[in-house]
Amino acid sequence: QKEVEQNSGPLSVPEGAIASLNCTYSDRGSQSFFWYRQYSGKSPELIMSIYSNGDKEDGRFTAQLNKASQYVSLLIRDSQPSDSATYLCAVNGNKLVFGAGTILRVKS
Amino acid sequence: ETGVTQTPRHLVMGMTNKKSLKCEQHLGHNAMYWYKQSAKKPLELMFVYSLEERVENNSVPSRFSPECPNSSHLFLHLHTLQPEDSALYLCASSQDPGWAEKLFFGSGTQLSVL
Repeated sequence: QKEVEQNSGPLSVPEGAIASLNCTYSDRGSQSFFWYRQYSGKSPELIMSIYSNGDKEDGRFTAQLNKASQYVSLLIRDSQPSDSATYLCAVNGNKLVFGAGTILRVKS
Repeated sequence: ETGVTQTPRHLVMGMTNKKSLKCEQHLGHNAMYWYKQSAKKPLELMFVYSLEERVENNSVPSRFSPECPNSSHLFLHLHTLQPEDSALYLCASSQDPGWAEKLFFGSGTQLSVL
């Protein structure tokens, strides 16, 4: 079992729609959770962090965490073509582990 | 520019060559990292340095040799690489080595081993 699993995609959504990106993890002791965005040919950039169960909102982005289900998600409201990128989930237990990423394509 | 600069951006080398990757961070951070990113695979942590001391070596083959002369500079020396070592090599820094709190990545070096 992979430590951090993401659907590789691509996930295609129309402009203005909600994009939902999901991530599951295996280490029940994980304490902090992150979403990085990586544009093609660029480096990863931290966009969200979440530490407790529930939702955390920042602008058009909402991170959701459910530790009981070992599940973390990222919702992007009003998706824009500029949101097209690979989104990496990272989970920190006794070490930081990244997922392989989900490719998001927002069509105008 | 992210505050972490890497050179070169692209590198093509033969299996018998020796080359070095360079990373410099301008953020005043105490921890620096080397990651390997292969297509459709998760980022793999290779090395972690905290205040110039190596604190993590993630079972990386000896053909990769890191060097951290000071808290702002990090090198990755490469020798006798294999074609499967072709990947994007990313340098990152953070305020401290307590894992993941705001990793800042460089633009990476795209390495091709022929």
